[in-house]
Amino acid sequence: AQSVTQPDIHITVSEGASLELRCNYSYGATPYLFWYVQSPGQGLQLLLKYFSGDTLVQGIKGFEAEFKRSQSSFNLRKPSVHWSDAAEYFCAVGPQYSNYQLIWGAGTKLIIKP
Amino acid sequence: NAGVTQTPKFQVLKTGQSMTLQCAQDMNHNSMYWYRQDPGMGLRLIYYSASEGTTDKGEVPNGYNVSRLNKREFSLRLESAAPSQTSVYFCASSPQTRLVAASYNEQFFGPGTRLTVL
Repeated sequence: AQSVTQPDIHITVSEGASLELRCNYSYGATPYLFWYVQSPGQGLQLLLKYFSGDTLVQGIKGFEAEFKRSQSSFNLRKPSVHWSDAAEYFCAVGPQYSNYQLIWGAGTKLIIKP
Repeated sequence: NAGVTQTPKFQVLKTGQSMTLQCAQDMNHNSMYWYRQDPGMGLRLIYYSASEGTTDKGEVPNGYNVSRLNKREFSLRLESAAPSQTSVYFCASSPQTRLVAASYNEQFFGPGTRLTVL
């Protein structure tokens, strides 16, 4: 069955430090890949997406993600985090020929230390 | 543009009560979705509507019904609430129109409804 795994439930990072959030998926073909962010009390907002082409994709708020087919991974990175990045981050996978459904990871909560 | 709006923001129900969660979008999107979010489980799709007049079951449809009233509005109804339906409910919309790769678009989310069933 298709699945998305975000192995880290919580991650704590000092402000100004670099960040990497992990996402692994299980799917028979190359899916569409997404990262969303959910600030406290808010809905989800798209950070970036990968459909095809360059495996390093840039998103909003200084985030980037790299698709690695051999590892079935789509890890999210940021070189220097800000206190405003404290939020929950969700990885999602969609089949290329979709029935409109996305499969979601359980989320990683990012805590920023001052 | 308000984007995706949801009402109410908070609701407490007793077991067996019914209620309808309202969702509206002003982006002229074709597709709309209802999700529930539970701790440690991410988002799970309850129902979706690919276009006005159509609805389909998602991953966890039991205990829910939906109505796509028009292109703007997509409501979720709990006929007889159960404690297992305590959750945060999100509505989302997307311009996605066809089952082809090129039109796979992002989903835009509302702020959510926090529902507690006692």
